[in-house]
Amino acid sequence: NAGVTQTPKFQVLKTGQSMTLQCAQDMNHEYMSWYRQDPGMGLRLIHYSVGAGITDQGEVPNGYNVSRSTTEDFPLRLLSAAPSQTSVYFCASGLWGRQPQHFGDGTRLSIL
Amino acid sequence: AQSVTQLDSQVPVFEEAPVELRCNYSSSVSVYLFWYVQYPNQGLQLLLKYLSGSTLVKGINGFEAEFNKSQTSFHLRKPSVHISDTAEYFCAVSDRGTGNQFYFGTGTSLTVIP
Repeated sequence: NAGVTQTPKFQVLKTGQSMTLQCAQDMNHEYMSWYRQDPGMGLRLIHYSVGAGITDQGEVPNGYNVSRSTTEDFPLRLLSAAPSQTSVYFCASGLWGRQPQHFGDGTRLSIL
Repeated sequence: AQSVTQLDSQVPVFEEAPVELRCNYSSSVSVYLFWYVQYPNQGLQLLLKYLSGSTLVKGINGFEAEFNKSQTSFHLRKPSVHISDTAEYFCAVSDRGTGNQFYFGTGTSLTVIP
């Protein structure tokens, strides 16, 4: 049972480039979410989904897009990378009450 | 919107000593409360949660937390810490009404000293 799998683990981008962070879960959880973690700021919700075909914005959605075509996958797209998006990104899934129960190990993203 | 305050950014404690990590939240409406632990270079793991019922909640690894509605607090405690408890601890809250948004505190770094 893999849980929540994030790829890649590390990535360096140049300003203006686009990329997709992958997230997959094998627990059949309806709820999935993306967070960014910055020093001294805890985790902030970017986008979340309560099921296939349903997504919504979190606290800091600007500059990011998501889609949920299947229950298992919830990719996060950076449209045009900016240095302010340098962060550690975590994907999470949950079964109950839209609570993030299981987290991936994170993607460390640097924008130059 | 909710906010979560973890007053102590760093807590050093000697091995086998007790520890309390403090958490306060902003809203007086009914809430769900959570504590997570993050070990270096890993994602977060759920330690415990308060949904309803008894205000004293027991979690994994010997941790417990007490919900105090009048003080809007949810402090995490352990009577005797181990080296392996060295980690970052996050308090989180969500409103009972929607549950859509989930708010994390800024974290407390617990360092257990041999």
